[in-house]
Amino acid sequence: DTGVSQDPRHKITKRGQNVTFRCDPISEHNRLYWYRQTLGQGPEFLTYFQNEAQLEKSRLLSDRFSAERPKGSFSTLEIQRTEQGDSAMYLCASSFSGEVWTFGSGTRLTVV
Amino acid sequence: ILNVEQSPQSLHVQEGDSTNFTCSFPSSNFYALHWYRWETAKSPEALFVMTLNGDEKKKGRISATLNTKEGYSYLYIKGSQPEDSATYLCARYNQGGKLIFGQGTELSVKP
Repeated sequence: DTGVSQDPRHKITKRGQNVTFRCDPISEHNRLYWYRQTLGQGPEFLTYFQNEAQLEKSRLLSDRFSAERPKGSFSTLEIQRTEQGDSAMYLCASSFSGEVWTFGSGTRLTVV
Repeated sequence: ILNVEQSPQSLHVQEGDSTNFTCSFPSSNFYALHWYRWETAKSPEALFVMTLNGDEKKKGRISATLNTKEGYSYLYIKGSQPEDSATYLCARYNQGGKLIFGQGTELSVKP
């Protein structure tokens, strides 16, 4: 297992388009988290899963954002009708029951 | 303190200098404090997970202390090297099972 993988590394999209990001966690980890980081700020929590159940979703997440983790394995984060304010680094992390967390390298989204 | 706060926001030091950063966090219902190092174009790397008041952990030239009663942690780097240049993040693990991050301290070490 090579750690947490995120795809793509970079995404440039036009305003109004939909984008989807993928995260492959460490296989033994039951928890998967999504965070967003903008310039000068620390990562902000978006949502997390325990196995396939989405346990919490931040109020930061508008209805345009949706996340899934089918079968408790990989996860996808979709943003519909992107806006310039969605430009950020999207980080995924996994852990076994909240202990040591492992982060991916992130997907940098630029909305033009 | 309602949020996790880090200071300073950025720091520029010369190679060989020792430096330290501060992380302040709400002290009530404390579970754990995490420190990460995040280099550009890489994933955040876990440095320490600290749980006990008075805890002190060390990894090479980097060490950290924890005071859960007053709600702060210090990260120390002894003899900074250019490869230490990164953003250092602290995060409080809360009851809900997620990490709440500070804004980070950006360290730049000049040769």
